[in-house]
Amino acid sequence: GAGVSQSPSNKVTEKGKDVELRCDPISGHTALYWYRQRLGQGLEFLIYFQGNSAPDKSGLPSDRFSAERTGESVSTLTIQRTQQEDSAVYLCASTLRSLNTEAFFGQGTRLTVV
Amino acid sequence: KQEVTQIPAALSVPEGENLVLNCSFTDSAIYNLQWFRQDPGKGLTSLLLIQSSQREQTSGRLNASLDKSSGRSTLYIAASQPGDSATYLCAVSPPDYKLSFGAGTTVTVRA
Repeated sequence: GAGVSQSPSNKVTEKGKDVELRCDPISGHTALYWYRQRLGQGLEFLIYFQGNSAPDKSGLPSDRFSAERTGESVSTLTIQRTQQEDSAVYLCASTLRSLNTEAFFGQGTRLTVV
Repeated sequence: KQEVTQIPAALSVPEGENLVLNCSFTDSAIYNLQWFRQDPGKGLTSLLLIQSSQREQTSGRLNASLDKSSGRSTLYIAASQPGDSATYLCAVSPPDYKLSFGAGTTVTVRA
């Protein structure tokens, strides 16, 4: 596809279960971001990947959160032992390069922990 | 730490009126500033990207200005329409690459 693709679009999970969220960036985009947006709030930075460099994980809220990206392709955000406060929309964005270029966002994954 | 503020938080105007949305940021060391639109329950749609060396950028009814030295950007939407109702977010791209977002301005255009 031409845009950033995220799956699933919606996920309902029971508290304590693990979830995996997927982001497929625009082909050729070297930089990839994950953000979290809680209901009625702004975007919260989680993690940043740039090519084969070590990712910037400074925004991950706890060690239950982890993310991987193989090369310049798909990224997976994993949340272990989900808690109700993890309920949010998780947004992924990619850019052609890390600087001076436009960021494109996917439609997000709405995660609900019950 | 970069702080991005958007004023007002919400705005309601009658159809046809021009919209003025403000964004301010505390650290002028940015590479670019981007305006996004977010519809309820949706992702972000890029509207305009202004490079740090530019003063303004235009696309159709949208015009965005950037005063990097004073840490301000303004998004103008001319002749507003009900379809312009959405939340508008600005984001700055600093040297550490982490896009920093404002909390957004929620716009309602009344028919």
